[in-house]
Parts: sequence; structure tokens; C-alpha cells
Amino acid sequence: DAKTTQPPSMDCAEGRAANLPCNHSTISGNEYVYWYRQIHSQGPQYIIHGLKNNETNEMASLIITEDRKSSTLILPHATLRDTAVYYCIVRGAANAGKSTFGDGTTLTVKP
Amino acid sequence: NAGVTQTPKFQVLKTGQSMTLQCAQDMNHEYMSWYRQDPGMGLRLIHYSVGAGITDQGEVPNGYNVSRSTTEDFPLRLLSAAPSQTSVYFCASSLGLAGDEQYFGPGTRLTVT
Repeated sequence: DAKTTQPPSMDCAEGRAANLPCNHSTISGNEYVYWYRQIHSQGPQYIIHGLKNNETNEMASLIITEDRKSSTLILPHATLRDTAVYYCIVRGAANAGKSTFGDGTTLTVKP
Repeated sequence: NAGVTQTPKFQVLKTGQSMTLQCAQDMNHEYMSWYRQDPGMGLRLIHYSVGAGITDQGEVPNGYNVSRSTTEDFPLRLLSAAPSQTSVYFCASSLGLAGDEQYFGPGTRLTVT
């Protein structure tokens, strides 16, 4: 099973870029990297996902290393509302039954 | 679209009671799943379904049953509630298994006394 490792917590100054790392060294070729976030006790919210190439959407950018063993989620201009728990997971057709969320990274954006 | 809906929002049970947590989605998604989240921890997969009539176990299936008679609905049954099942339960759905985002419901907060 592809597991992920994330730092338990990070701080970021408001307006600055937040760079959240994730290690997924056992990822297999057909597994995607997904990022979600959870604010308070709400249901997780999808942010972005990718397979091999870097991806960008209106919320964030995802940088995946060439060997795919790690990735970084970038929030380009963090706001106080970005304070949340961020989860990195890997998911593919073969492991959907074992696709579980680790403890994530608690990002605190400070004024 | 209402997205993923869950009922009830809150529930208190006594040890040994049974109940069903409801989950429905109106996006015609094939894949649905149930997670539990204990305080301060991440989400753990209980059961999942890849389509009507097909279910399988996740990481923590003991004490729970599921069925998928329609594409829209995926109820989770607690057979005999235990205090260890006190948790927040989230239902999620996605169009497929790979390359598709999961949509999560608002959660059901369950307390077993």
C-alpha cells in the first residue's frame, strides 16, 4: 500500500506562499497524488491531484518530483481562511480499498 | 446538485443498540465509501463500493455492514454499537477510482454511551 508521510504542523505568514511537503516513496505507477483539506470538523475538501506532471488550479499548485516519491502543495498567497488540516493521499484503481488518510499537516496561517 | 448528503447530523446511542447512517449522492457516481474520524486523527476507510451490488472492506470494517442496492444510496449499519465506535462518520463519492476527486458529505457525529 502506498503510504504518505507529512509533517504534523506548519506555520505560514498571511500573504506568503505555503509549501506543504508529502513523501510517498512507495507510490506505484498508476496511483495519483491527491490533496484535500479539512477545516474544523467539516468534510474534507478536494484541492488538487496529479499523476506525473505538475498541476495548477485556482486554489493551488502541485509539484511532483520526477521520481514521484514526493510532492509539494503550494498555496501561493495564504490567507487566514487557509488554516486547516491538509491531507496528502495516493489513490489508484488497485488500492482504492486501502486509500486512507493519514494524520495530515495542520497549517496555521498567522497575521 | 445536492452533492453528498448524510443523515442524521448527530446521534447518541446506548451500547448494544443498532442503527443505520444514511448517505446519498445525486451525481451518478459509481464509487462510494465510508470513513470514520476519531478526535485528532485522520480518516480511516471502513467500507467502499465500486458500483451497485458491489461492496468491499476497507481498513476498519469490524462492527459495520454496508449494502449498495442503488447507485445513489450507500447506508452504513452499526450492528451492536460500542463506545469504541464513537466518532465522526463521513461518506464520500467519486466518479471513478483513479483520477477523480472524492466529494465528502458533512458528516454524522455519533456518540455511544
